[in-house]
Amino acid sequence: KNQVEQSPQSLIILEGKNCTLQCNYTVSPFSNLRWYKQDTGRGPVSLTIMTFSENTKSNGRYTATLDADTKQSSLHITASQLSDSASYICVVSAAGGFKTIFGAGTRLFVKA
Amino acid sequence: NAGVTQTPKFRVLKTGQSMTLLCAQDMNHEYMYWYRQDPGMGLRLIHYSVGEGTTAKGEVPDGYNVSRLKKQNFLLGLESAAPSQTSVYFCASSYSREGHTEAFFGQGTRLTVV
Repeated sequence: KNQVEQSPQSLIILEGKNCTLQCNYTVSPFSNLRWYKQDTGRGPVSLTIMTFSENTKSNGRYTATLDADTKQSSLHITASQLSDSASYICVVSAAGGFKTIFGAGTRLFVKA
Repeated sequence: NAGVTQTPKFRVLKTGQSMTLLCAQDMNHEYMYWYRQDPGMGLRLIHYSVGEGTTAKGEVPDGYNVSRLKKQNFLLGLESAAPSQTSVYFCASSYSREGHTEAFFGQGTRLTVV
C-alpha cells in the first residue's frame, strides 16, 4: 500500500533555532517527492521538489534531502523565524498512472 | 495575477442540501483538481480534470460531482450534503500531470454540514 508517514506530528522550537522534519514513504514506483508549506487558513505552497536522482535541494533557509534507497526524506529549516510557523507536508508521486500521496503533515510552532 | 481562486471561503449546510464550489484559475493550466483535507489526514483527491470537458474520479469521489465546461473553471457539486462531508476543500491546478509539475492551490473552502 502506498503510504507517506511524517514525524513528528507537531514541534515547538524557539526563534533562531534549527529543526528537521522527517518523511518516510512506501510509494512505488517512485517519481518525485515534494515538500509543501501550508500556513493556517491557506492552501499549500511548494517549497522543493526532488526526483530519484537528486539527494538534496535548497530553497533559502529550507533544505530537503532524499534517500531513495531507504525511502526517506527530511526537511531542514535553518535559523527559524516566526513566519515559519505552519504545517509542512511531504508529498510523493508515483511514476506512471495518476497517483500522488500526501502526508498528514508536521505542525511547526516557532516561538519568540 | 490571482492564481487559483475558490468561492465561497466558508459555508454551513444542512444535511440534504446541495451546493456548488467554484474554482477559477488564470494560469491557463490544463490540469485541475479538487481535494479534501481532514484533521490528521493528508489531502485526498476527490476528482480531477486533464482538460476542458474532461473529468475523472480520484480517491474519494462518492457524493461529489464535477464539471469543467471552461478551461479556467472547475466546479465541485454536492447534491445531498452529509455530515461526513464536513471538511476543508482545496482546488488546485497545474501545467501538466499531478506531481510532475508544481501544483498551485486555492485558499480553501471550509464546509460544515449540520
